[in-house]
Amino acid sequence: NAGVTQTPKFQVLKTGQSMTLQCAQDMNHNSMYWYRQDPGMGLRLIYYSASEGTTDKGEVPNGYNVSRLNKREFSLRLESAAPSQTSVYFCASSEFFTADNYGYTFGSGTRLTVV
Amino acid sequence: TQLLEQSPQFLSIQEGENLTVYCNSSSVFSSLQWYRQEPGEGPVLLVTVVTGGEVKKLKRLTFQFGDARKDSSLHITAAQPGDTGLYLCAGDAPLGGTSYGKLTFGQGTILTVHP
Repeated sequence: NAGVTQTPKFQVLKTGQSMTLQCAQDMNHNSMYWYRQDPGMGLRLIYYSASEGTTDKGEVPNGYNVSRLNKREFSLRLESAAPSQTSVYFCASSEFFTADNYGYTFGSGTRLTVV
Repeated sequence: TQLLEQSPQFLSIQEGENLTVYCNSSSVFSSLQWYRQEPGEGPVLLVTVVTGGEVKKLKRLTFQFGDARKDSSLHITAAQPGDTGLYLCAGDAPLGGTSYGKLTFGQGTILTVHP
């Protein structure tokens, strides 16, 4: 099925460990995003990639890095995990703004716990 | 930073009742989207509204974009248990803005419809 695929679905890390969250989309979208979702705070943008070859910081980039590997794939790396990074992480993709149907397609999320 | 305030945060109603969820901001948006999210899944796009004063209907759901493009509402008629979920509004920046293409999300409204 077409869409956004995230791996892994669940992960437990110890403080200080590193890991990479993987995201791939097969809709030929240009833009890709990483958000985190915390209770009562909605979705907050970590990093985004407007098009292949470009990345930029969002609202909460500290402690994270990203790589836009190609048009399909956009990974999120935690270099030294902290308990404050316990969250649900969502990857999303979109085409350029085309009015009526503009919006994001989200993956099913990665639930990360840092102990 | 553009903020989107959703109200109410929680809504618990009986099957067959009507309800309205509000999404308000002091900022102007070029478009506004509504998403629905079920537990363990990513948000799914319901609708995009683009023109001030626009009204869109999706079966029992009616979406309205304010005339000034600063606010929106979601009205559900005769709610059903299948409508239960987290409803999120998200705004895109005005055309030409530096955050164009990145969405700002409200904190969400958790709707529970009891049989």
